[in-house]
Amino acid sequence: GAVVSQHPSWVICKSGTSVKIECRSLDFQATTMFWYRQFPKQSLMLMATSNEGSKATYEQGVEKDKFLINHASLTLSTLTVTSAHPEDSSFYICSAREQRTPSYEQYFGPGTRLTVT
Amino acid sequence: AQSVAQPEDQVNVAEGNPLTVKCTYSVSGNPYLFWYVQYPNRGLQFLLKYITGDNLVKGSYGFEAEFNKSQTSFHLKKPSALVSDSALYFCAVSRFGGAGSYQLTFGKGTKLSVIP
Repeated sequence: GAVVSQHPSWVICKSGTSVKIECRSLDFQATTMFWYRQFPKQSLMLMATSNEGSKATYEQGVEKDKFLINHASLTLSTLTVTSAHPEDSSFYICSAREQRTPSYEQYFGPGTRLTVT
Repeated sequence: AQSVAQPEDQVNVAEGNPLTVKCTYSVSGNPYLFWYVQYPNRGLQFLLKYITGDNLVKGSYGFEAEFNKSQTSFHLKKPSALVSDSALYFCAVSRFGGAGSYQLTFGKGTKLSVIP
């Protein structure tokens, strides 16, 4: 149980285009989903927290107009990188927290490797 | 503000020997502590957590961790290391964040190499 999927697993796009990454909880309902960014050989940095049906909360320094997050249902959140540039190339990982509380655990997706050329 | 420190970038251990990956934390209030493992180009896999109760927590794949409140530590241990344990290990602490969510703050990670 508690499986989180991400699609695509890797994507290459040209500079200036937009890319959408999907995060799905497959066998549970996720009240909250998180989006992280990980640079090579570095830790995960939280980008934003999204709750189903409400606007995402972005961490300081993360451009909300560039990284659009939508959490339209209890099983799906999307991250859209708009007007991507090479510096946006990174490993993006989502995680989800179950609806039932208390639940402090997050379940992580396998990650999406984004390369912007 | 809360933080997690993993003082070792890399830990090398011989197969069959016990391993320890260190983690210390700083948080106000009661800590919720986690260990995750990451294999190359993969997401994080949950190993174990401490929320409350016994200080010695047992988790997946034979790993365990000991919560020490006085030393603010949560070191990850395994009695006998396997080559397949070689991976990147992250310690994390949870905090109550915006919009009612629990957010994780991660340490920088420790690369574990188990030598055959």
